[in-house]
Amino acid sequence: ETGVTQTPRHLVMGMTNKKSLKCEQHLGHNAMYWYKQSAKKPLELMFVYSLEERVENNSVPSRFSPECPNSSHLFLHLHTLQPEDSALYLCASSRNRDSLYGYTFGSGTRLTVV
Amino acid sequence: DQQVKQNSPSLSVQEGRISILNCDYTNSMFDYFLWYKKYPAEGPTFLISISSIKDKNEDGRFTVFLNKSAKHLSLHIVPSQPGDSAVYFCAASASGGSNYKLTFGKGTLLTVNP
Repeated sequence: ETGVTQTPRHLVMGMTNKKSLKCEQHLGHNAMYWYKQSAKKPLELMFVYSLEERVENNSVPSRFSPECPNSSHLFLHLHTLQPEDSALYLCASSRNRDSLYGYTFGSGTRLTVV
Repeated sequence: DQQVKQNSPSLSVQEGRISILNCDYTNSMFDYFLWYKKYPAEGPTFLISISSIKDKNEDGRFTVFLNKSAKHLSLHIVPSQPGDSAVYFCAASASGGSNYKLTFGKGTLLTVNP
C-alpha cells in the first residue's frame, strides 16, 4: 500500500458508456497527476493538478475529463472512449510541484474499451 | 520525439551477478533523474535518484551513475536478486518552469534468474 489508492482496479466499458476513475491520497501531498501507460510506450502525462488547480492538460482528448474536488481526491471521467484508449491509467501524487521528491503512484486502473 | 530513451526492452541476468540498466536523454535542460521500479499489477515505486551536480549516487545494492556529457545514466544492481525482477523506468525532470513534470522512458524488464 503506497498511500495512493485507485479504484476500480479493472474496468471494461463500451464505447458509449460513461465511467469514472477515482484516486485518493492521504499523504498530505499538494500535487496530483494522471498518467497513461499503453503497451510498449512510455508513461504519458495527461493532467497535473496543484493545490486543486489544473496546471497542465497535455493535449488530452476531451473524452477524458479530470476533476479535483480537494487535494486528496482526483477523478478521471470517461465518456465515448475508443478502443485505443485501452491502457493502464496511473494516478500519482507528490509533496508539491517540485518533482525532486518524486512521485507516489497508485496501482493503476486497467481499462479495456470494447 | 522521445526525450528519455531506454533502448533495451528487456535484460536477463543470473542471481548474484550485476544488472546494468541504461538510459539516454536528449533534453539538456534535464537536471534531475530518477529510477522507478514496477511489479506487475502495481504502480511504479521510487527507487533512487540523482541530481546533475553529482555523477554517482549509491543506496545499498543500487547505484546510479550519470554522465552528463554523454547524456547517459545507468542503474547498477549488485548483487542481483530474484526479487529485483521487475520493469525499471528511467525518468527525468528539469527544474524551473514545469518542474513538476517527469518524463519517463518506456522501461526495461529485468529478469533475475535463480
